[in-house]
Amino acid sequence: KQEVTQIPAALSVPEGENLVLNCSFTDSAIYNLQWFRQDPGKGLTSLLLIQSSQREQTSGRLNASLDKSSGRSTLYIAASQPGDSATYLCAVSIIQGAQKLVFGQGTRLTINP
Amino acid sequence: NAGVTQTPKFRVLKTGQSMTLLCAQDMNHEYMYWYRQDPGMGLRLIHYSVGEGTTAKGEVPDGYNVSRLKKQNFLLGLESAAPSQTSVYFCASIQGSSTGELFFGEGSRLTVL
Repeated sequence: KQEVTQIPAALSVPEGENLVLNCSFTDSAIYNLQWFRQDPGKGLTSLLLIQSSQREQTSGRLNASLDKSSGRSTLYIAASQPGDSATYLCAVSIIQGAQKLVFGQGTRLTINP
Repeated sequence: NAGVTQTPKFRVLKTGQSMTLLCAQDMNHEYMYWYRQDPGMGLRLIHYSVGEGTTAKGEVPDGYNVSRLKKQNFLLGLESAAPSQTSVYFCASIQGSSTGELFFGEGSRLTVL
């Protein structure tokens, strides 16, 4: 059974710092990995999608990497801003009759002005 | 463009009552999913559908039923609500490709007393 773990559960950093969020998964047989952002009381917004054949994806100040063999992904946020405060979730896509995502429990990020 | 819309957004039920959550998407997506999100548990898949007229069980299907009579709608029903079903429910959809991005609704917060 695929399990996804995110460490740390919570992170607080001062504005302007670069930071890394971690995601690990137990089964390397995945189709893709997605990073999502969730604001309090809101749904999930997809940030980056990395296909299993890719090593990384970039969008603005965000960079996500994927190492399937070691079962790890990182989300790098450059020059953090208070508006980046949110919960970040990673999810891996598995195929068991249909594409399904298995989620980590998320990292709650707080950027202090 | 509405994307994925969930109704209602909030509901309070008494134990034993029934209700239906509606998810509607306007992106002509094939696959639709119902997840529940609980503190410390992350998002867990309840049921999903790979197309109109099809449904399948996810990780935590007990106590729920679903229907996909129209491609754009995916209904989640609770026949006899229990306090353990107090949660935030999220609907999501994807075109169907293993390379696709998942789109989420904003969630429905259900409290069962």
